[in-house]
Amino acid sequence: NAGVTQTPKFQVLKTGQSMTLQCAQDMNHEYMSWYRQDPGMGLRLIHYSVGAGITDQGEVPNGYNVSRSTTEDFPLRLLSAAPSQTSVYFCASSYHKQQGRYGYTFGSGTRLTVV
Amino acid sequence: GQQVMQIPQYQHVQEGEDFTTYCNSSTTLSNIQWYKQRPGGHPVFLIQLVKSGEVKKQKRLTFQFGEAKKNSSLHITATQTTDVGTYFCAGPGRNAGGTSYGKLTFGQGTILTVHP
Repeated sequence: NAGVTQTPKFQVLKTGQSMTLQCAQDMNHEYMSWYRQDPGMGLRLIHYSVGAGITDQGEVPNGYNVSRSTTEDFPLRLLSAAPSQTSVYFCASSYHKQQGRYGYTFGSGTRLTVV
Repeated sequence: GQQVMQIPQYQHVQEGEDFTTYCNSSTTLSNIQWYKQRPGGHPVFLIQLVKSGEVKKQKRLTFQFGEAKKNSSLHITATQTTDVGTYFCAGPGRNAGGTSYGKLTFGQGTILTVHP
């Protein structure tokens, strides 16, 4: 199993540009989430999903969109990039219906810089 | 909304000393999880505690869940340089329907430095 795969690993955007961060998992997990990590701020939840077709907002959703059309994929869209969105983004997944609720498996992250 | 607070924010220890980080929630938690993030890496799941007063051990790591299920601690005995990293606690958040297990809220983390 590959686990949680995030692409790209690094990205530089200009202010106002849009882009999509990709996230895919092959563990048949129901839950998927996007976090951003900034120095001294811990991990802040952007959006999360508890199953295909179901998404909800986290703590810091403004400026981001998500969709969950399949169990495997959970892309994060930046609509109009701003310098305040410079951060490290982590995708994570959890919960297999037959295996129960355990911890989240994280991807290796995307380091985004907005100039 | 629910808040998960962690202290201390930083801890510097000499190799061989013990280390403890504390996690407090503003609401009762159905479970609490602990993660470790090495410098430059991603968070890695360590353990989940579910029962009131639960204590679990992983080698030199001891995890406790408070009787009221609003606080937790991680204690490392005789730290080693391999213990360096940030330790996070996390609990399920809440939405309009109540506890949302898909909405995991993290504390700010404790950054552990171990001097050889």
